[in-house]
Amino acid sequence: NAGVTQTPKFQVLKTGQSMTLQCAQDMNHEYMSWYRQDPGMGLRLIHYSVGAGITDQGEVPNGYNVSRSTTEDFPLRLLSAAPSQTSVYFCASQSGGSGNTEAFFGQGTRLTVV
Amino acid sequence: AQSVTQLDSQVPVFEEAPVELRCNYSSSVSVYLFWYVQYPNQGLQLLLKYLSGSTLVKGINGFEAEFNKSQTSFHLRKPSVHISDTAEYFCAASHTGTASKLTFGTGTRLQVTL
Repeated sequence: NAGVTQTPKFQVLKTGQSMTLQCAQDMNHEYMSWYRQDPGMGLRLIHYSVGAGITDQGEVPNGYNVSRSTTEDFPLRLLSAAPSQTSVYFCASQSGGSGNTEAFFGQGTRLTVV
Repeated sequence: AQSVTQLDSQVPVFEEAPVELRCNYSSSVSVYLFWYVQYPNQGLQLLLKYLSGSTLVKGINGFEAEFNKSQTSFHLRKPSVHISDTAEYFCAASHTGTASKLTFGTGTRLQVTL
C-alpha cells in the first residue's frame, strides 16, 4: 500500500521556469491538499480539493495552480518560479471533508529556485 | 479564523526524562486538534487527535495529550523519552464542518540526548 506518492523528491529550477509537482494517492480519499513548509512557519495550505473537478485556494495560493481530474491525482503547477517559492512541498490526502480525519502525507518535494 | 501557537521552537531533553510540548489554539467555533510528528527528511504522520469526549487522548509511541477548553490548550506529553523521539512536532487544528483544512503551528523541535 503506497499511500501518498510525490515526485520528484528534489528539484532545482531557474527563476521564471515552470514545473509540475506530482501527487498520487491510492486510498480513494476525496480530500487532497498541498502545503508548503518553510523554517519557523510550519505548514501553510496552498490549494485543496474536496473531490474530482473541485478545487479551492488555501492560505498562500499565489503563483500556484492545481486541477483534479481524477480521485487519485492532484498535481501542483508553478507557473513562473520565483526564489520565494523555494520550500519543501507536501501533498496530503484525507477521507471525507468534515475536518476530523487523519491526513496522510507524502514524503515531500524539496524545491530550490535560483 | 483559527490559529495555533507553539511557543517553544526547540526543546532539549535527556533520554528517559519526561517532556511536555505546548500548544495553544484560538477559535470561535469548535475545533478538532491533532499532533503530527515529522522525522528527518520524511513526511508528517499522526501521533494523536482530539475530536470530542475524554479530554485525555493517547497516541502512538507512548505520547498523550490533554485538551483543556478553558485554557485553549492541547499540550503533548511523554513520561520518558527515547533518542528515537528526536523529531519535529506539529500541533494542528481544523474546524468542525470545514473541508478538512488544517491550520498548523510553527512546530517544536524535540532534541533528545544521552
